[in-house]
Amino acid sequence: KAGVTQTPRYLIKTRGQQVTLSCSPISGHRSVSWYQQTPGQGLQFLFEYFSETQRNKGNFPGRFSGRQFSNSRSEMNVSTLELGDSALYLCASSLGDSNTEAFFGQGTRLTVV
Amino acid sequence: QKEVEQDPGPLSVPEGAIVSLNCTYSNSAFQYFMWYRQYSRKGPELLMYTYSSGNKEDGRFTAQVDKSSKYISLFIRDSQPSDSATYLCAMSRGYGNKLVFGAGTILRVKS
Repeated sequence: KAGVTQTPRYLIKTRGQQVTLSCSPISGHRSVSWYQQTPGQGLQFLFEYFSETQRNKGNFPGRFSGRQFSNSRSEMNVSTLELGDSALYLCASSLGDSNTEAFFGQGTRLTVV
Repeated sequence: QKEVEQDPGPLSVPEGAIVSLNCTYSNSAFQYFMWYRQYSRKGPELLMYTYSSGNKEDGRFTAQVDKSSKYISLFIRDSQPSDSATYLCAMSRGYGNKLVFGAGTILRVKS
């Protein structure tokens, strides 16, 4: 059974640019969540999508947005990149019911210069 | 105060030792408790998943949850150098997939 796939694995962007990250969940999983991991703040929840609808949202500015497609694949977009957005962005998938057993992808390492 | 507190370590033990990793939390609404292992430059790998209080064992790993004390633990028996990683505790209220993580404990198992 294939795991969670995130693309690309590495990205280097310039301040002010925008970036789109992609996540393909485990087959059959309908919930996709996004997290930001930094050495200073650890793992922080960005948002969760379930059946193409945002179900939960963390405390991040509106520059961070996402969407989910009918096949459960999800994309995350960050606009007007700042140096502080440099982080490992992780996607997790789960079945989406009350069970919150979540499986993570390998992440996308974003560096903003 | 953070919702989930976890000692960042590092924790250094000899091969074969029993390792105890712990987290405390403040939100009594948490019902689902998880432990993840993360190797450098990799995504977190789910090790243990438990619901409410009690113990769960899987091979060399045992997870314990004490909701009355708001305290969870992960024990690793017969630790191996390959167990060297960062261990993250995580918990959720149960609906949706918002996990709240501890800071992670760096574990080093010396051969």
